Amino acid sequence: DTGVSQDPRHKITKRGQNVTFRCDPISEHNRLYWYRQTLGQGPEFLTYFQNEAQLEKSRLLSDRFSAERPKGSFSTLEIQRTEQGDSAMYLCASSLGVGATGANVLTFGAGSRLTVL
Amino acid sequence: SQQGEEDPQALSIQEGENATMNCSYKTSINNLQWYRQNSGRGLVHLILIRSNEREKHSGRLRVTLDTSKKSSSLLITASRAADTASYFCATDGREGGSEKLVFGKGMKLTVNP
Repeated sequence: DTGVSQDPRHKITKRGQNVTFRCDPISEHNRLYWYRQTLGQGPEFLTYFQNEAQLEKSRLLSDRFSAERPKGSFSTLEIQRTEQGDSAMYLCASSLGVGATGANVLTFGAGSRLTVL
Repeated sequence: SQQGEEDPQALSIQEGENATMNCSYKTSINNLQWYRQNSGRGLVHLILIRSNEREKHSGRLRVTLDTSKKSSSLLITASRAADTASYFCATDGREGGSEKLVFGKGMKLTVNP
């Protein structure tokens, strides 16, 4: 297992364009998380899935953001009509959930850095 | 808004010295975790402490938890240049059964050789 993979690692786009990021989690992990991180800040929660079900979405998340995990494996995060304020690192993480251990430890990918010009 | 707040926000020390960083949070928790992030990379889990634990050790890491003060500290002993990174505390936001982790703003540690 190669861990959590994210693609692309870097994306530069013009304002108004749509972008899509992909995340491939650790295969046996049924939870998948998306976070956004701006310079000098901690990761900000966007949404998470348990298998293919999207269980929670941040109230701060614009309607321009949508995430899917159609078969409970990989996930995509799409941002429509990008704005300069969307420039950030988009981090994906996966986990087994709280489960038997009572603790939810996340394994993160390297992130996808978005620059909106 | 982010629940955890690390203090100090930046720390610069010499190799071999100890580094202590503190985290305060606002609501009740089940667990508190510490993660490390090297520049431009994803976060890596370091250590977890449960709400019924007061102290935990892992190698050169020592974490404490004071639930009455809603605070935790992470001590890195005998620091190395390779410990240079940002460190984040994360708490489980268990409201309504949520399994998301809420991260603090982080602390940037620089260990000078």
